[in-house]
Amino acid sequence: DAGVIQSPRHEVTEMGQEVTLRCKPISGHDYLFWYRQTMMRGLELLIYFNNNVPIDDSGMPEDRFSAKMPNASFSTLKIQPSEPRDSAVYFCASSFRGGNNEQFFGPGTRLTVL
Amino acid sequence: AQSVTQLDSQVPVFEEAPVELRCNYSSSVSVYLFWYVQYPNQGLQLLLKYLSGSTLVKGINGFEAEFNKSQTSFHLRKPSVHISDTAEYFCAVSLMDTGRRALTFGSGTRLQVQP
Repeated sequence: DAGVIQSPRHEVTEMGQEVTLRCKPISGHDYLFWYRQTMMRGLELLIYFNNNVPIDDSGMPEDRFSAKMPNASFSTLKIQPSEPRDSAVYFCASSFRGGNNEQFFGPGTRLTVL
Repeated sequence: AQSVTQLDSQVPVFEEAPVELRCNYSSSVSVYLFWYVQYPNQGLQLLLKYLSGSTLVKGINGFEAEFNKSQTSFHLRKPSVHISDTAEYFCAVSLMDTGRRALTFGSGTRLQVQP
């Protein structure tokens, strides 16, 4: 298996623009997680899905952030409009039901908002 | 709510010396425990995990960790480090039997191995 795939790996955009981050989980995994990593706040959970259904979105910073999972092999995290404080590394991770929550992480997307 | 504390933000150590990275957690229910490693510009990779059973857990790259329930700790150790072990290490917990699947991470410890 190729592991968790994220695209793009790097994104540079200007304040106010829409940003879409993409994730393909490991085939057969039931859970998908979006995390954000910053120097100030470390690794934070934004949202996670089970069987394509959002379970906990309490970590989503505000209405500018939205996440979808239209099918078992694809998820997006959208920021609209983006702000400089959204600059961070965004990780996607997946796990399967019987895995005692061992999560497999993608390489991350480094977002810079100018 | 659960929390994870990694007391050392940075640990400098010489090559071939032993190292211990400390992790303490707080939770009202039983937890699963994990150590992840992050090399520069990469994602997180699982080093080892404690689910149940023996409190001494062995992982990849010669690392091991010991679960101490009374002290709510899960310290990571390696008897002899290499330059290639230079990375950031994260301790994480997940709640047992609650249905909640998210990981709660510590703030990370940067291991700097010097020649």
